[in-house]
Amino acid sequence: AQSVTQLDSQVPVFEEAPVELRCNYSSSVSVYLFWYVQYPNQGLQLLLKYLSGSTLVESINGFEAEFNKSQTSFHLRKPSVHISDTAEYFCAVTPNTGGFKTIFGAGTRLFVKA
Amino acid sequence: GAVVSQHPSRVICKSGTSVKIECRSLDFQATTMFWYRQFPKKSLMLMATSNEGSKATYEQGVEKDKFLINHASLTLSTLTVTSAHPEDSSFYICSARLFRDSSYEQYFGPGTRLTVT
Repeated sequence: AQSVTQLDSQVPVFEEAPVELRCNYSSSVSVYLFWYVQYPNQGLQLLLKYLSGSTLVESINGFEAEFNKSQTSFHLRKPSVHISDTAEYFCAVTPNTGGFKTIFGAGTRLFVKA
Repeated sequence: GAVVSQHPSRVICKSGTSVKIECRSLDFQATTMFWYRQFPKKSLMLMATSNEGSKATYEQGVEKDKFLINHASLTLSTLTVTSAHPEDSSFYICSARLFRDSSYEQYFGPGTRLTVT
């Protein structure tokens, strides 16, 4: 079985400051890792993913995440946030065997203040 | 590409009635779709896996007779909440699975806000 832990339920940060949203997972099999973003009353949008290869993955809007196998972590970072980054962020894992069901973390609310 | 739609986006119904929510993959075929339920300020809870042409697989604790799922075509899955009660009020999100970049990816619909009065 897999589980995902997002250590912070809320992260307030000032505009243009750096931010890190933490994610740890546990799994007995290899997994694919994802970060999704959800704006109010909307569905989820894929932000970035790790499948294999380079452990550092980037999104088009400045976010990046690094897969750390030894620490079973996939933390999301951005060096300078904008007001528009205010949203709920979900870390998720999908085992690369069997039914490929995705398990989500509890989410982290990023609140960017002016 | 890879767009998933849901209809309706919002629905209000009276207790005891049934409500149908549609999930469509607009530009790809999806043999597998998923239905999630999201409570306020909570994560997504997987309710069931919908497979085209076969019965849905429900997660533990989800009543299959209450949440009827039909995946009649490669682009459409429906969730029917039968005999709805106020505690069924929630945000329901579907997703469709697509094999891309050597892995499966999920594309999510915009969600349906169900309010049962």
